[in-house]
Amino acid sequence: DAGITQSPRYKITETGRQVTLMCHQTWSHSYMFWYRQDLGHGLRLIYYSAAADITDKGEVPDGYVVSRSKTENFPLTLESATRSQTSVYFCASSEFGRNNSPLHFGNGTRLTVT
Amino acid sequence: AQSVTQPDIHITVSEGASLELRCNYSYGATPYLFWYVQSPGQGLQLLLKYFSGDTLVQGIKGFEAEFKRSQSSFNLRKPSVHWSDAAEYFCAVGVGGKLIFGQGTELSVKP
Repeated sequence: DAGITQSPRYKITETGRQVTLMCHQTWSHSYMFWYRQDLGHGLRLIYYSAAADITDKGEVPDGYVVSRSKTENFPLTLESATRSQTSVYFCASSEFGRNNSPLHFGNGTRLTVT
Repeated sequence: AQSVTQPDIHITVSEGASLELRCNYSYGATPYLFWYVQSPGQGLQLLLKYFSGDTLVQGIKGFEAEFKRSQSSFNLRKPSVHWSDAAEYFCAVGVGGKLIFGQGTELSVKP
């Protein structure tokens, strides 16, 4: 079925390690997004991408790196994980990237940094 | 700066009772507003959206929301809550092609 797939669903890593969260969508949507969800903060935008090879920072980009070599994939890398990056991470996509474009979300990756 | 505020962190209602979840936004131009629902362990699902026109919009699962420009509000309502409505609800505004979310309201439903 078409949709957004995030992997892994759960990840435990240690402080200082590099970890990559994967996101794959089958709609061929141009726009993709990474959000983190934390209690009391709702969802905050980390990075987004308007197309392959075009990425831009969101509200909380520090400590994260993204790439988009193919339209369907948008991996998020924590280069040196910290405890403050323990969170639930959601990938989303949008067909047009306009203000009235709804986002379609994956089921999330729950990351714990020990 | 654009922002969305959901004043209620947690609400408990009885099954069959009516529901209203509050959302206030801060945005200079005509807002594009959304409500999403997140069931435990799941991603966010779009309930409804408002772009223009009729200020009362209908969504899925029997939800509706009313846009009130004078109050900068976009409250979500349901006439009769079902136990399966227990979830977290997020209000969002579209800005620069992205969504800015409120902090969320967790809804509990008691029998």
